[in-house]
Amino acid sequence: DIVMTQSPDSLAVSLGERATINCKSSQTILYTSNNKNYLAWYQQKPGQPPKLLIYWASTRESGVPDRLSGSGSGTDFTLTISSLQAEDVGLYYCQQYFTTPWTFGQGTKVEIK
Amino acid sequence: QVQLKESGPGLVKPSETLSLTCTVSGGSISSNYWSWIRQPPGKGLEWIGYVYYRGSTNYNPSLKSRVIISVDTSKNQFSLKMSSVTAADTAIYYCARETNWNYFDHWGQGALVTVSS
Repeated sequence: DIVMTQSPDSLAVSLGERATINCKSSQTILYTSNNKNYLAWYQQKPGQPPKLLIYWASTRESGVPDRLSGSGSGTDFTLTISSLQAEDVGLYYCQQYFTTPWTFGQGTKVEIK
Repeated sequence: QVQLKESGPGLVKPSETLSLTCTVSGGSISSNYWSWIRQPPGKGLEWIGYVYYRGSTNYNPSLKSRVIISVDTSKNQFSLKMSSVTAADTAIYYCARETNWNYFDHWGQGALVTVSS
């Protein structure tokens, strides 16, 4: 299985400041034939299912604000919230869909400082 | 807008079989892959497996011996059966739609299943 490791486990950021979440895969999830990274990011709020934010490591899902951005390639990826808003509080998960079993990171909790 | 909704018993006895159904509305189940994912209380997400609308399946090896996922296109539903459950199977069970590239773009609200005598 591909192991996905996120860091940090939690972070507290002031409103308007930048939040950065890292995700590392135990093997590459870059498919060289199409140059795509098979990585998605989700946000989960209490009592709700996860919500898709980003796929192909950097493509925002429709309706996702552009203050959220994804980057990285190969085994190292980052989700950045450029200016934290109150509605960004929650748990964030990365997921690889390069090979089954699909696997998720352990989650990063984002709070307001 | 595609919507998914899980249904089934919220309490299952140890050693028995957990059964859940996901009803898809606002779109046809006759495309895409359809997955089950679970989340133990306060913990992370674990993919259980998927069924393709034509009936082929793929399961997480960690659960494969106990899981069957099936699809009923006439009812726009797909189902999960997990046998020989223990307390470790207590979790919120989500059904989700996979895009053709296998990330999850639509999720149900989740169903809490508790395994207890």
